Amino acid sequence: GQSLEQPSEVTAVEGAIVQINCTYQTSGFYGLSWYQQHDGGAPTFLSYNGLDGLEETGRFSSFLSRSDSYGYLLLQELQMKDSASYFCAVDADKLIFGTGTRLQVFP
Amino acid sequence: EAGVVQSPRYKIIEKKQPVAFWCNPISGHNTLYWYLQNLGQGPELLIRYENEEAVDDSQLPKDRFSAERLKGVDSTLKIQPAELGDSAVYLCASSLGDSNTEAFFGQGTRLTVV
Repeated sequence: GQSLEQPSEVTAVEGAIVQINCTYQTSGFYGLSWYQQHDGGAPTFLSYNGLDGLEETGRFSSFLSRSDSYGYLLLQELQMKDSASYFCAVDADKLIFGTGTRLQVFP
Repeated sequence: EAGVVQSPRYKIIEKKQPVAFWCNPISGHNTLYWYLQNLGQGPELLIRYENEEAVDDSQLPKDRFSAERLKGVDSTLKIQPAELGDSAVYLCASSLGDSNTEAFFGQGTRLTVV
C-alpha cells in the first residue's frame, strides 16, 4: 500500500518556528513536495526535494531523507497568514498527497 | 498568465442526477490531473492525463465516473448518476511536461449531492 503520515494539527504563536513532519511508504519515489492550502482555496506549491538535504525558500525550508523515508517542512518567523493546511506529497510516478496538517498561528 | 480555471465553483444536485465539471489548464501544460478532496483530507487522484491520453485512471470509479480531454487541452469530468457520497471538492491541476514536481491547482468545484 501507499501511505503518508503527518500530524493532524500544529499550533504556534507569531514569530515562532514550527516543523511539520512527513513519513511515507510508497511503491516508487522520485521526490517529496509540500503544498499549502487555505480554507476554501486551492493547494499551492511550496517546495520540492528530489535529493536528500535541505531546500530553503525564504521563510520556508524543506528537508528530505530518502533512506529514512522522511521529510519535514520548516516554517520560520510565523505570521498569521501562515494559518492553513500543509500537505506533503510524494511523486511516485503520480502525485500522492498526505492527509494534511492544520497549522494555527496565534497572536 | 491565467491559472487553472474550473467551472462551476459550486454545484448542488439531487442524487441520481448527472453532473459535469470543466477544467482549462495552464497554457502549455500537457499533464492534467483530476483530484477529489473530502473535508479535512488530502487530495486523492482520480485520473491523470498526458496530452489527450489517460495514463493513470486506476482510482477512477468507472461505473459512474468518466473523463475526457479532447485535443489535449480542456478536460471534463462527469458523474452519472451522482450519489450522496460523491459530495466533495473536485480539483483540477496541471503541470509542465510529465513531471510531478510542481502542480498548479484550480479553485475546485464544490459538489453537494442531496
